[in-house]
Amino acid sequence: DAKTTQPPSMDCAEGRAANLPCNHSTISGNEYVYWYRQIHSQGPQYIIHGLKNNETNEMASLIITEDRKSSTLILPHATLRDTAVYYCIVQIETSGSRLTFGEGTQLTVNP
Amino acid sequence: DTAVSQTPKYLVTQMGNDKSIKCEQNLGHDTMYWYKQDSKKFLKIMFSYNNKELIINETVPNRFSPKSPDKAHLNLHINSLELGDSAVYFCASSQGAKATNEKLFFGSGTQLSVL
Repeated sequence: DAKTTQPPSMDCAEGRAANLPCNHSTISGNEYVYWYRQIHSQGPQYIIHGLKNNETNEMASLIITEDRKSSTLILPHATLRDTAVYYCIVQIETSGSRLTFGEGTQLTVNP
Repeated sequence: DTAVSQTPKYLVTQMGNDKSIKCEQNLGHDTMYWYKQDSKKFLKIMFSYNNKELIINETVPNRFSPKSPDKAHLNLHINSLELGDSAVYFCASSQGAKATNEKLFFGSGTQLSVL
């Protein structure tokens, strides 16, 4: 599976948009981009995933560049409860999900 | 109702003991997983079962043995516990076995401390 690179930490003001970048320059054509987050002392939580097109759900938006070498997770109106470690993962279709979590980005939302 | 529940939440034990962690999901999913999160916070897959059949078995010591009595349960038994086994263990489930378009639902974790 392709490797991802994320900044180790980011800060965001409450109520503002949080834009979390992820580089995956070695991604192959059949690899999906997944985003999960882990709030302190909890299990990881699925946020969103996509292949080529931009995606939006009730939690966030995922913007994937045309060359698919990078993506951005957007939390449109960050709240204090969005403080967490955010993981960007690329995953090839295979027998059984082998999501490999990297170091992620620690997002801190400040009041 | 909790979707993926695992017990116990905390487990403190001595080296050499045998212990089990239980996991149950009420989502009707076909696939369940065990992940280990070490002190550096890296989360790595250990095992995966699909309809009670083992489909992923990463490089894990033989002391770790998963058991799936039915597709809603995946328990993890650990023999002869070692200090290095101290970690947080997460159970997860997904609807199917293929990675594409699969969302994983995680339990809240079991903090294992081996003294």
